[in-house]
Amino acid sequence: QVQLQESGPGLVKPSQTLSLTCTVSGGSISSGSYYWSWIRQPAGKGLEWIGHIYTSGSTNYNPSLKSRVTISVDTSKNQFSLKLSSVTAADTAVYYCARDGYCSGGSCYSQYFQHWGQGTLVTVSS
Amino acid sequence: EIVLTQSPATLSLSPGERATLSCRASQSVSSYLAWYQQKPGQAPRLLIYDASNRATGIPARFSGSGSGTDFTLTISSLEPEDFAVYYCQQRSNWPPLTFGQGTRLEIK
Repeated sequence: QVQLQESGPGLVKPSQTLSLTCTVSGGSISSGSYYWSWIRQPAGKGLEWIGHIYTSGSTNYNPSLKSRVTISVDTSKNQFSLKLSSVTAADTAVYYCARDGYCSGGSCYSQYFQHWGQGTLVTVSS
Repeated sequence: EIVLTQSPATLSLSPGERATLSCRASQSVSSYLAWYQQKPGQAPRLLIYDASNRATGIPARFSGSGSGTDFTLTISSLEPEDFAVYYCQQRSNWPPLTFGQGTRLEIK
């Protein structure tokens, strides 16, 4: 069973760069045809997809964040990472990493999220 | 960007009652829609994929229907553990993948 765990600073100052890492266990990040996503959720609000990466390094980002986001992957460590630059208070949220793809009965459906990390709260404040 | 609008924002029902939640897309997403359940302090859980297919381990009281722009999640008889927030999500046209704003299902 795939498990994901986010890690990184819980407090980031305005204008700085938010950096988070997602460690995948229970399977290789390189196995299967999956993208690996970052999703965030401000307190009391809905879910916002930030972007995802394939293990080849191919990425797609939410256009609303594209100018500030970088997602990278380190297959040797079974990890992928998020960097969000020039943060403001509006970037305060719980950040989730998730596997992009649902598989059942030998079929896989991409861009649905079956496996999620527990989430990590990042607060932007001076 | 495809906007998903969920209604109602809050639904107040009693255990044993039937719940009907709606998700409307700003343009057709064919059947490429999922539903998630989220409880406080937890990550979302995938319930339904491709509009009407239950994910592994999801009880039969959960069902999804619809195609194009109008979708429904139905919980046939509410159990106490079903009271949560529900989100729809489309994968038809991306980036970005988008979610609805959520429906809170609360105990009446």
